[in-house]
Amino acid sequence: ETGVTQSPTHLIKTRGQQVTLRCSSQSGHNTVSWYQQALGQGPQFIFQYYREEENGRGNFPPRFSGLQFPNYSSELNVNALELDDSALYLCASSPGGGRDQETQYFGPGTRLLVL
Amino acid sequence: GNSVTQMEGPVTLSEEAFLTINCTYTATGYPSLFWYVQYPGEGLQLLLKATKADDKGSNKGFEATYRKETTSFHLEKGSVQVSDSAVYFCALHQGGKLIFGQGTELSVKP
Repeated sequence: ETGVTQSPTHLIKTRGQQVTLRCSSQSGHNTVSWYQQALGQGPQFIFQYYREEENGRGNFPPRFSGLQFPNYSSELNVNALELDDSALYLCASSPGGGRDQETQYFGPGTRLLVL
Repeated sequence: GNSVTQMEGPVTLSEEAFLTINCTYTATGYPSLFWYVQYPGEGLQLLLKATKADDKGSNKGFEATYRKETTSFHLEKGSVQVSDSAVYFCALHQGGKLIFGQGTELSVKP
């Protein structure tokens, strides 16, 4: 069984640019959540996708957007990058239905540096 | 709103010492509770979970009991190893998302 994978592992961008991060969910999981983890902090929820629809959003501006594809993989897009967007971006997948959906399995993350 | 508070780190212990990392939460209802571990340069790994009051989650020698009366979910291990050095996160599940504490860094010395 393949776990959650993310690409790229590291990325350097300059302020104002746009970035796309990718995530492949664990086999059999139809829900993907994205989190931002600033250095020395706990992860903060960005949004969640369930069966290709946004299913909840945290306190992040609209320049953070996402997609989920029919195979349940997902993208996180960030426009007009700011210095404070520098962080580790974590993707997590979970199976749909019942209490099982509460357990989220994380990928290794993408470390984004904005200069 | 719902929140999670962990004891501040870093926590430094000698190998084979007893570990406690405190975690308390504020929540409406009775959310599922989790401990995740993050090794340097890596993502989060699920360590254990509990879904209702008095449940005990356990894995790899770590344990935590869901205490409704004290709204706590403290992580314990009887004898830590150098390989347990990592950052530990307590979290609760609410409305599809996980709400994390700020993390507690554990350093175990030989």
